[in-house]
Amino acid sequence: GENVEQHPSTLSVQEGDSAVIKCTYSDSASNYFPWYKQELGKRPQLIIDIRSNVGEKKDQRIAVTLNKTAKHFSLHITETQPEDSAVYFCAASRASNTGKLIFGQGTTLQVKP
Amino acid sequence: ETGVTQSPTHLIKTRGQQVTLRCSSQSGHNTVSWYQQALGQGPQFIFQYYREEENGRGNFPPRFSGLQFPNYSSELNVNALELDDSALYLCASSSGRGTGELFFGEGSRLTVL
Repeated sequence: GENVEQHPSTLSVQEGDSAVIKCTYSDSASNYFPWYKQELGKRPQLIIDIRSNVGEKKDQRIAVTLNKTAKHFSLHITETQPEDSAVYFCAASRASNTGKLIFGQGTTLQVKP
Repeated sequence: ETGVTQSPTHLIKTRGQQVTLRCSSQSGHNTVSWYQQALGQGPQFIFQYYREEENGRGNFPPRFSGLQFPNYSSELNVNALELDDSALYLCASSSGRGTGELFFGEGSRLTVL
């Protein structure tokens, strides 16, 4: 079945460093790739998304890259801050229905002050 | 504009019982998706409703069922509860037929004893 693998499961960085989280997906028809941030006890919140017609998208300190050939996409956070500490989830779906997301297992990011 | 709201926030049931979880979609959204998030895992797609009809289902048994009402609010029903049903149940709404950004509620945490 459709699957999204996410690595690493935990990531610890010093404040100001960069963090990179990687995901691979199995369904070649996937063309919508959102990233969600979930703080403890809170709802997942969309932080950035990318569609397959672009290879990279950036929003301030956050960027996402997509390699459709390799079925691989990554989240890059620069100049990390303690408030970036949370669980991050990648997901994939077809753009025709962004409500049917296949999520990765999550990455717990800890930013040490 | 109100966001996605879910009730109850927490509940405890015993094995074999039945539970109903409720969700009010964000204003203007006609598509509701339900997800199950076990502790330490990514959300898993249960099913989606669009204009009161089921519009896709994940790998969940028939004892997981749902409804969507004319005002686009939704219910998730789980019969014959099992211990493994203990999880956070997330409702998410989107516009169009699920082509817009997905907005999540805070979830209902179900514990089955």
